Amino acid sequence: QVQLVQSGAEVKKPGASVKVSCKASGYTFTSHGMHWVRQAPGQRLEWLAWINVGNDNTKYSQKFQGRVTITRDTSASTAYMELSSLRYEDTAVYYCARVYGWGGLDYWGQGTLVIVSS
Amino acid sequence: QSALTQPPSVSGSPGQSVTISCTGTSSDVGSYDRVSWYQQPPGTAPKLMIYEVSNRPSGVPDRFSGSKSGNTASLTISGLQAEDEADYYCSSYTSGSLWVFGTGTKVTVL
Repeated sequence: QVQLVQSGAEVKKPGASVKVSCKASGYTFTSHGMHWVRQAPGQRLEWLAWINVGNDNTKYSQKFQGRVTITRDTSASTAYMELSSLRYEDTAVYYCARVYGWGGLDYWGQGTLVIVSS
Repeated sequence: QSALTQPPSVSGSPGQSVTISCTGTSSDVGSYDRVSWYQQPPGTAPKLMIYEVSNRPSGVPDRFSGSKSGNTASLTISGLQAEDEADYYCSSYTSGSLWVFGTGTKVTVL
């Protein structure tokens, strides 16, 4: 069965960076793109970026351009999201999600809580 | 890349139908048939309910249906059930190969 398993919660200081991993199993990793989405406490879903896992092409939300980097390791079937220059307002649950068809996200990781605190 | 606009809340009694709107622009909803809908009960990850405007993944009840007209997409829940109570989000592809989510709608079953 398809599973996306994310790394554990992180506590970071303002200005630091965080790197979240998303290990995929149960399907051919390079056959589906991967999106990253976040949700601040009590807030809406917010799109960050996506990666074409097959050819490593990436696209980033204009809001996070320059601060977020998406990579993948096909040998490990793992995608990564790194967010730099962390601010208090980056405190959120970060999700990876697999692409199905044209943009439907059919499988989601369990979420990784990132807390930015001094 | 502004968020798509959804009503903050909708409600209905069991068995009734409710419709959630998702209004974008000619750069996103109006130009592409790549609108998805997600259900998110509290404390859980979102679940895909509709993709490509009106397609249901396997396992999603046919009470859920999607449509689009111009810059507005809609999700209709027919025969509302208590288990449908959750937050719902739309999402659309936008120009520049980017994506955007909606503001979210809380569905309450009275």
